[in-house]
Amino acid sequence: GNSVTQMEGPVTLSEEAFLTINCTYTATGYPSLFWYVQYPGEGLQLLLKATKADDKGSNKGFEATYRKETTSFHLEKGSVQVSDSAVYFCLSLYDKVIFGPGTSLSVIP
Amino acid sequence: KAGVTQTPRYLIKTRGQQVTLSCSPISGHRSVSWYQQTPGQGLQFLFEYFSETQRNKGNFPGRFSGRQFSNSRSEMNVSTLELGDSALYLCASSPSGSVGTGEKLFFGSGTQLSVL
Repeated sequence: GNSVTQMEGPVTLSEEAFLTINCTYTATGYPSLFWYVQYPGEGLQLLLKATKADDKGSNKGFEATYRKETTSFHLEKGSVQVSDSAVYFCLSLYDKVIFGPGTSLSVIP
Repeated sequence: KAGVTQTPRYLIKTRGQQVTLSCSPISGHRSVSWYQQTPGQGLQFLFEYFSETQRNKGNFPGRFSGRQFSNSRSEMNVSTLELGDSALYLCASSPSGSVGTGEKLFFGSGTQLSVL
């Protein structure tokens, strides 16, 4: 069946470090892919999305490219800030809603 | 525009009881979906309603049910509560499509349910 796998957390980085959070998916078709972020005490917010192969989503310095050949949608940011500390969820939407397990990120000054 | 509103924010129940959670979507949104979030299982999709009809359903037992009213407000009901039902329950709304269309989801802050 469909599934989404994310790298295990928690991830702790120093401010201005480079961030990569891996996400791979399995699906019978070509899902839309999303990254959602959950800040402490809040609901989820859409960070970025891509709906077809080779699309690149970007927002707030974060980027992710839909790679059909590797079935991946890795999240990257060149220089993280303390305010990026949150839990990040990869989401696959096709005929089912499939969330990854979430990756907790802590950025320390 | 007001965001997605979930009530109550916190709820404490005992095993065997039932509970009803409420979700008011963003004005004009017709799709409401529900999710269970736990530390062990992560975020899992419960079901989606569109125009008062259940359109999609996740892999949860029949104790979990929902409905949607003509004003798009939705309720979720859990009967015969078990300890494992303790979780944060999130709802999300979207303007018109099914969750499978890739439309952006707008999430509420959730209802934290504790079953004792």
